[in-house]
Amino acid sequence: ETGVTQTPRHLVMGMTNKKSLKCEQHLGHNAMYWYKQSAKKPLELMFVYNFKEQTENNSVPSRFSPECPNSSHLFLHLHTLQPEDSALYLCASSQTGTGNSPLHFGNGTRLTVT
Amino acid sequence: QKEVEQNSGPLSVPEGAIASLNCTYSDRGSQSFFWYRQYSGKSPELIMFIYSNGDKEDGRFTAQLNKASQYVSLLIRDSQPSDSATYLCAVTPNSGGYQKVTFGTGTKLQVIP
Repeated sequence: ETGVTQTPRHLVMGMTNKKSLKCEQHLGHNAMYWYKQSAKKPLELMFVYNFKEQTENNSVPSRFSPECPNSSHLFLHLHTLQPEDSALYLCASSQTGTGNSPLHFGNGTRLTVT
Repeated sequence: QKEVEQNSGPLSVPEGAIASLNCTYSDRGSQSFFWYRQYSGKSPELIMFIYSNGDKEDGRFTAQLNKASQYVSLLIRDSQPSDSATYLCAVTPNSGGYQKVTFGTGTKLQVIP
């Protein structure tokens, strides 16, 4: 596989459920990101991991919990979500330290909270 | 004030025409500028990036940057129906570090056959 892979593609969960989103990048990048995309809003940066260390937490509620076990894998653990958390969640990666490397996005997980 | 501002559109152009997409940004320290294309239901994909004032051409696409005016644009020549998508302008202040990218809301482009 190449690029950035996200699973699942679609997820429907109740407000009391616990689920996890998974992201894997095969580009050899050292930074990984979680973005949230809601209708009519710009992409919102949630978390950044640089060399496995969390370097950005953009005031995200604690019901979203990221995990980055290594530079190739990123998870977003979800629990007790709210209906307004329904959105497209995008994982991205980039190469740092070599100039301004653009973001490479996965296909996203469409999340619906019922 | 929005950090990265784009007209949401839709911008409708006839097939074969030039589509002009515009973006303004508020942070004068911004270093890098990206244009992403996002088809409905898909993830954003990089079209162009530009770091220096002036024009940068890649095939039918030209990115234009004017840091003094805090303005970046994307021109699409000979527009095709397959160019119909939402175009996201993205800006980052970093140079060499991780990308704290700020996105605009995007401009929806419709190319009419």
